[in-house]
Amino acid sequence: AQSVSQHNHHVILSEAASLELGCNYSYGGTVNLFWYVQYPGQHLQLLLKYFSGDPLVKGIKGFEAEFIKSKFSFNLRKPSVQWSDTAEYFCAVMGSSGGSYIPTFGRGTSLIVHP
Amino acid sequence: GAGVSQSPSNKVTEKGKDVELRCDPISGHTALYWYRQSLGQGLEFLIYFQGNSAPDKSGLPSDRFSAERTGGSVSTLTIQRTQQEDSAVYLCASSLKYMNTEAFFGQGTRLTVV
Repeated sequence: AQSVSQHNHHVILSEAASLELGCNYSYGGTVNLFWYVQYPGQHLQLLLKYFSGDPLVKGIKGFEAEFIKSKFSFNLRKPSVQWSDTAEYFCAVMGSSGGSYIPTFGRGTSLIVHP
Repeated sequence: GAGVSQSPSNKVTEKGKDVELRCDPISGHTALYWYRQSLGQGLEFLIYFQGNSAPDKSGLPSDRFSAERTGGSVSTLTIQRTQQEDSAVYLCASSLKYMNTEAFFGQGTRLTVV
């Protein structure tokens, strides 16, 4: 079975501060990894994804994440946050299990950025 | 439309009543998922449809929950004899069948059981 752990449940930052949100997963096989974002009142949307290749992936709005296979981690980073980054962030893993591809999500991290 | 569409957007029902939630996936997407999002609990997987294969119902919390997908497209999630603990946002997502693809989410249905 696959699982995802997000270490930070609530993060409060000031604008221009750097951001790193932790995500660790548990799965023994090949995985796809995702970060989704949910802005207030909006639906979940994809921020970035890792399928294969370069472990450093870049997403929208200046976000990036690094896949470290040895640590089963996929941390999200942004060098300088903006007030508009205030949102809920979800890490997800999708592994191949008998032909089913079901994303498993972490509990989410609530990010508040003060102007 | 281009995205996943869910209806209704909000539903208030009395305890003990049955409710039906609808999901229209993105055209051409063969995989469809239902999740439940409760405050502070993240996304809880409920059920997964993949093409014409038997659905994966392993996430359904009780036999009061059921779902069907007609013609490989529209899906309906039914909750019978609703309880207050069923109150949550029910999210539908669709994706292509294969690995190396992401799920696209609808806006969700906020269910409140009073």
